[in-house]
Parts: sequence; structure tokens; C-alpha cells
Amino acid sequence: EVQLVESGGGLVQPGRSLKFSCAASGFTFSDYAMAWVRQAPKKGLEWVATIIYDGSSTYYRDSVKGRFTISRDNAKSTLYLQMDSLRSEDTATYYCARELGYFDYWGQGVMVTVSS
Amino acid sequence: DIQMTQSPASLSASLGETVTIECRASEDIYNGLAWYQQKPGKSPQLLIYNANSLHTGVPSRFSGSGSGTQYSLKINSLQSEDVASYFCQQYYNYPYTFGAGTKLELK
Repeated sequence: EVQLVESGGGLVQPGRSLKFSCAASGFTFSDYAMAWVRQAPKKGLEWVATIIYDGSSTYYRDSVKGRFTISRDNAKSTLYLQMDSLRSEDTATYYCARELGYFDYWGQGVMVTVSS
Repeated sequence: DIQMTQSPASLSASLGETVTIECRASEDIYNGLAWYQQKPGKSPQLLIYNANSLHTGVPSRFSGSGSGTQYSLKINSLQSEDVASYFCQQYYNYPYTFGAGTKLELK
């Protein structure tokens, strides 16, 4: 059974940093691209970033480029998102997802609140 | 960026009814379209990919169709467990973009 379990969210002040992770199991992690998708409270879904299977290429939405870094450790089957220079508009639930272009499996999500 | 316009924003239907949700892309996305279901407090779940392929384990009352810029999700014989929000997503180009969602309620 494919499982994606995020951890590490929380409350953070504007301008600060936060890093969280997503532990994968039930499939060969190193075979798949992975992504982060976020959802602001009571809002729709927004793709954030993608990393290909071996970590050699990454893609970001413009609003997070230069502030967020997606990475992976295939030996640990773990995906990461490092978020720097956080803004109030980054407040959202962040989901990790297995990517095939579409997202076929999603984690339960981790809430990030950016507020002073 | 490719804009995804989804309609209607909300929909009220009776048990057993057939409902259709539409999604229009701002340019041709060559069937690079997926549909998701999201229940309150839960993560999204994939229903349809490649515009018309049913994801593993999804009931056959869900179906997708369309091409070019126009796509639709149809739910036949609505069940109570189908009450949820539905989102379309294009993956033809980065940045991947989603429709604003359709909230489906029971009448």
C-alpha cells in the first residue's frame, strides 16, 4: 500500500524558515517524481514544486522560486521542502504527492501558518 | 500559465441523479487532464487521469471525457459518499494548474 506521511509543519513568523519532510513507503521511491501541492484555508489547490526521480531536476512555481527548495533522499525514501523567507500568503496545508504529471497518491498534509 | 476554468462552482443534486462538471483550459492541453475528489478535512484523491482513464479502485460511475480545451467529469447514479469538492488539473505544462473546484452537495 502506498503511504506518504508528512511531518514538521507549524506556526512560523514572516521572514523565517521551516523545513518539513514526507516519508514514503509501499513503492520504489527512487522510481518516481515527487511533488508538493498546497491548499490555503478554504481555497483551491496550488502546485508548488516537483523533483524528478533522481533529484537531478527540480521545478517551482514562480511565487516560491528562490525561497523554497525541494529535495529528496532516495536512500531514506524521504521528500523534503525547505521554505525560507516565508510570507503570510504561504499559509496553507502542504501535501506531498507522487507525480506522474497527475498526482496519484497524496499524503495527509501538514499545516503551515505564517503569522507574527 | 494555462488557466483552468471550472464550472459550476457549486452543485446540488439528488441521490441517483447524473451530474456533470466542466473544465475549460485556456489552451489545448492534449488530454493532460486529471480529476480529483476531496472530502472535508481529507487530502485529494485521484479519480481520472489522461482525461478519461479511471484510477485504480475508483467506482465505474465516475467517467471523464473531452479533448483540446474542453473536458468534463460525469458521475452517474449519485451516491451519498460522492458529496465532496471536485478539482480538475492540467499537467500538459508547468506550472501545473488546477480549476477552482466544484462543491457537490445533496439536494
